[in-house]
Amino acid sequence: DAGITQSPRHKVTETGTPVTLRCHQTENHRYMYWYRQDPGHGLRLIHYSYGVKDTDKGEVSDGYSVSRSKTEDFLLTLESATSSQTSVYFCAISPSGDRGYTFGSGTRLTVV
Amino acid sequence: AQSVTQLDSQVPVFEEAPVELRCNYSSSVSVYLFWYVQYPNQGLQLLLKYLSGSTLVKGINGFEAEFNKSQTSFHLRKPSVHISDTAEYFCAGILTGGGNKLSFGTGTQLKVEL
Repeated sequence: DAGITQSPRHKVTETGTPVTLRCHQTENHRYMYWYRQDPGHGLRLIHYSYGVKDTDKGEVSDGYSVSRSKTEDFLLTLESATSSQTSVYFCAISPSGDRGYTFGSGTRLTVV
Repeated sequence: AQSVTQLDSQVPVFEEAPVELRCNYSSSVSVYLFWYVQYPNQGLQLLLKYLSGSTLVKGINGFEAEFNKSQTSFHLRKPSVHISDTAEYFCAGILTGGGNKLSFGTGTQLKVEL
């Protein structure tokens, strides 16, 4: 969707290095979410934000941190990347959360 | 326990045949329910949603789903599938307890064959 973009689209990084993924929206939606997608697990929530500087953990938050200093940007940081964090990461946005989300195109992260 | 359960990981079907993809939800999920479709190497696209009202919900591409509270199900159906429907389908529901968090099932791979 044009209203939500993720960067980078692909990244290869080495074990132990920090990595930051960016989600940018132009819809002025309040809620933003980070999910990871792995075969056999569907999508699992990492962290979410319900406003500027308001964030909370999801079900698989260990090893990840987030920040939201502006409405339009939601950053996901892998503090010290591990091979288990190799995955496809999706950002999603929603105006109210309970009416469904709009997803970005994803970031494919490989940790070697 | 899984909040949203998709009972079939893969469903093969011939073109023009009907298909049903099954989804059940637990008590940890509200009655806000969704189906998303993911084509290869793409993001997720909303197919349809149930928020309230009529239990039969119609979505894009000829898909529909029926909300059944007594059976805690939200199965997705299409009367006649096309090759282009080959994709992965995810059922999801909003978790109770605040945060408007969407919980996903593990997905069903629909493969339409000639």
